[in-house]
Amino acid sequence: AQSVTQPDIHITVSEGASLELRCNYSYGATPYLFWYVQSPGQGLQLLLKYFSGDTLVQGIKGFEAEFKRSQSSFNLRKPSVHWSDAAEYFCAVGESSGTYKYIFGTGTRLKVLA
Amino acid sequence: NAGVTQTPKFQVLKTGQSMTLQCAQDMNHNSMYWYRQDPGMGLRLIYYSASEGTTDKGEVPNGYNVSRLNKREFSLRLESAAPSQTSVYFCASSDRGIIGGYTFGSGTRLTVV
Repeated sequence: AQSVTQPDIHITVSEGASLELRCNYSYGATPYLFWYVQSPGQGLQLLLKYFSGDTLVQGIKGFEAEFKRSQSSFNLRKPSVHWSDAAEYFCAVGESSGTYKYIFGTGTRLKVLA
Repeated sequence: NAGVTQTPKFQVLKTGQSMTLQCAQDMNHNSMYWYRQDPGMGLRLIYYSASEGTTDKGEVPNGYNVSRLNKREFSLRLESAAPSQTSVYFCASSDRGIIGGYTFGSGTRLTVV
């Protein structure tokens, strides 16, 4: 069965520092991978997605993620964090283009220190 | 602004009461979804509707029913609310399954006492 693990429940970084949020998945074939962000009191917003091709994908708000098949990982990165990036981040996996269901990770809450 | 609209935003129910959460999207999306979000558990799919006229169970359907009223609207009903259904409920829609990503509503915070 598919699963998604986000090992870090909370992460704190200083503004201007780099960020990496971890995501590991379990799936036999190449999965469809996504990162979403949730600001307090809001719904989730799609940051980026990976289906195939270039393993480094660019998203909105200056985020990028790298798919590493050998490590079953899809980590989210940002070179320089802004205070407005404080939010909760969710990794999600889907089986294929024909599916209508994600499996979401449990989320990583990011705190940014001024 | 185009998007997914959920009503109400907040609701307190007594155990055993019923209620319907409403969701409407104006993006002409085919698929709609109901998730619940609980601390430390991420988002779990309750029900989804791949297209108008169809509905299917997700991961945690017990205690809920849904209606895809038309292409725009997808409602979630709690027939007899239980404290375990205290949660934040999100509706989402998509035009091509998961490929394009989901557009989420801003959520309904439900408390069952």
